[in-house]
Amino acid sequence: RKEVEQDPGPFNVPEGATVAFNCTYSNSASQSFFWYRQDCRKEPKLLMSVYSSGNEDGRFTAQLNRASQYISLLIRDSKLSDSATYLCVVKSSSNYGGSQGNLIFGKGTKLSVKP
Amino acid sequence: NAGVMQNPRHLVRRRGQEARLRCSPMKGHSHVYWYRQLPEEGLKFMVYLQKENIIDESGMPKERFSAEFPKEGPSILRIQQVVRGDSAAYFCASSPDRTNGYTFGSGTRLTVV
Repeated sequence: RKEVEQDPGPFNVPEGATVAFNCTYSNSASQSFFWYRQDCRKEPKLLMSVYSSGNEDGRFTAQLNRASQYISLLIRDSKLSDSATYLCVVKSSSNYGGSQGNLIFGKGTKLSVKP
Repeated sequence: NAGVMQNPRHLVRRRGQEARLRCSPMKGHSHVYWYRQLPEEGLKFMVYLQKENIIDESGMPKERFSAEFPKEGPSILRIQQVVRGDSAAYFCASSPDRTNGYTFGSGTRLTVV
């Protein structure tokens, strides 16, 4: 089982739509969770951290379910500028597969917002 | 306050040559990480360094690859005798500590011809 798994997409949605991405992780000892955004041929940029209580930043809402080892990202009122690849990222607290607390990236879910 | 600076942005090497990728972390950041992203793939961890120390190199290929972060100057990722399969985007990231997310540089795109 991969450490972080995401549906690769692509998700093709019209402007104004609501879209949700899901992610599962395999290491129950993971302690920190993030969503990054990566535009084509650019570096990943931190979108938001994910907390157990859930958190919201404008049109973006992130949720964490530790029992199911599941993370989600909801984007409301999609904009053309939201088109990108969204990376689910997990940081383990201990030595797991050699990661020793480093960030582990999913392959990403590609979003394309159309006019 | 400059972000993470990587150079060169693009690097072309012939098979068998050496590639040197440089990364200057953000001011105040002493933790540096190198990741590799193959075309259409996710980012894969390679190595984690603090000043003058390699903390975790579990993601580094056993041969031809090395990394350093000297007391003065940028972190260097060195690939000897490059092969076509080394063609990828190499991203460096830095952080002030181990508890938060990282800030990434713009990456170096290595092409081996």
